[in-house]
Amino acid sequence: GAVVSQHPSRVICKSGTSVKIECRSLDFQATTMFWYRQFPKQSLMLMATSNEGSKATYEQGVEKDKFLINHASLTLSTLTVTSAHPEDSSFYICSARGRITEAFFGQGTRLTVV
Amino acid sequence: AQSVTQLDSQVPVFEEAPVELRCNYSSSVSVYLFWYVQYPNQGLQLLLKYLSGSTLVKGINGFEAEFNKSQTSFHLRKPSVHISDTAEYFCAPTPGGSQGNLIFGKGTKLSVKP
Repeated sequence: GAVVSQHPSRVICKSGTSVKIECRSLDFQATTMFWYRQFPKQSLMLMATSNEGSKATYEQGVEKDKFLINHASLTLSTLTVTSAHPEDSSFYICSARGRITEAFFGQGTRLTVV
Repeated sequence: AQSVTQLDSQVPVFEEAPVELRCNYSSSVSVYLFWYVQYPNQGLQLLLKYLSGSTLVKGINGFEAEFNKSQTSFHLRKPSVHISDTAEYFCAPTPGGSQGNLIFGKGTKLSVKP
């Protein structure tokens, strides 16, 4: 199947700093990318959907100024957690979809804010 | 609107035993159906998918699922599980024929014991 690379896999940052997470589709063009957040022992919660070249569409309750999403090319989307706080600590997962039906997922990023 | 229900949050089984993970969905439109597996601290990997055609779908790692339209179910089965199958399993429908978002169930934790 197609490959989606997410980086970094783990990051620890200080409260108040910003963290950028990258999601790359390595062997296909991702017209749509999705960002999810997963709390311990829970399912994935969709945060936002981004189409290449357009502004991301955020789900209700997700702060767009807090979680900045950029999808500038067909192979790269980034999620920046701005002014991170301990409650932002979570597992963040991206997925990418092209002209194929299923979405392919990155390996996830474990964010810990101290 | 559509929703998905995974009836069992945890399924403990012994190695080499058969297993069935249940998934029911509700949707006013036709759907594509997916099962994903998540190993600890990793992203999601596609196990199998139903788009159309044969209602019995075979996936990776010996898993299969059967689409039952009348019962709106898409249960996942494996005749003989291994220790390595221990993971979280997510059922996810998406509106057929579109680039709609995956809607994830709450997940079923499969624990295979020796």
